[in-house]
Amino acid sequence: SQTIHQWPATLVQPVGSPLSLECTVEGTSNPNLYWYRQAAGRGLQLLFYSVGIGQISSEVPQNLSASRPQDRQFILSSKKLLLSDSGFYLCAWSWELSYNEQFFGPGTRLTVL
Amino acid sequence: EDQVTQSPEALRLQEGESSSLNCSYTVSGLRGLFWYRQDPGKGPEFLFTLYSAGEEKEKERLKATLTKKESFLHITAPKPEDSATYLCAVPPSNDYKLSFGAGTTVTVRA
Repeated sequence: SQTIHQWPATLVQPVGSPLSLECTVEGTSNPNLYWYRQAAGRGLQLLFYSVGIGQISSEVPQNLSASRPQDRQFILSSKKLLLSDSGFYLCAWSWELSYNEQFFGPGTRLTVL
Repeated sequence: EDQVTQSPEALRLQEGESSSLNCSYTVSGLRGLFWYRQDPGKGPEFLFTLYSAGEEKEKERLKATLTKKESFLHITAPKPEDSATYLCAVPPSNDYKLSFGAGTTVTVRA
């Protein structure tokens, strides 16, 4: 069976500090990978998606970036965090790029102070 | 513009009081509608996929149905453990990504 992991589970960072969130998937190969942000009381906002190693597409221009150094590893980064970066970050995977359900990880709660 | 709208925003039920949640969408050429359950502080958990009008899926006390313009999630004789936010999502008509509704938060009191 497939499993998706995210860490850390929670993170409190000062404004201007760097960020690195990691997501890994087990039990499948060549997954499509996604990063979402969910602000309090709001819906899911897609930030990045990847169809393969080194292939990243950005949905929202901001100070975040993503990388996929390995087939089942997806990393969300920032060089300098903003207060507005606070939120619940979710990683997800799917079998194919189109029309398939996505499966979510447990999430990372990020608070920027 | 493709949209996904869920109603109501919040639903408070007494244990055993059945009810329905609505997810309406405006995408043309529906290529699947997905229901998720999300508990506070956790990632969404996949529940169902519906592909065509008239299709129904069931899981325990939950049943999802689909028409050409909306989907319903019926909760039969709910229990407190059914308390969660329920999200629906569809792929937009010109894209592969999922558009999520804002969700319905269900609270079931014992």
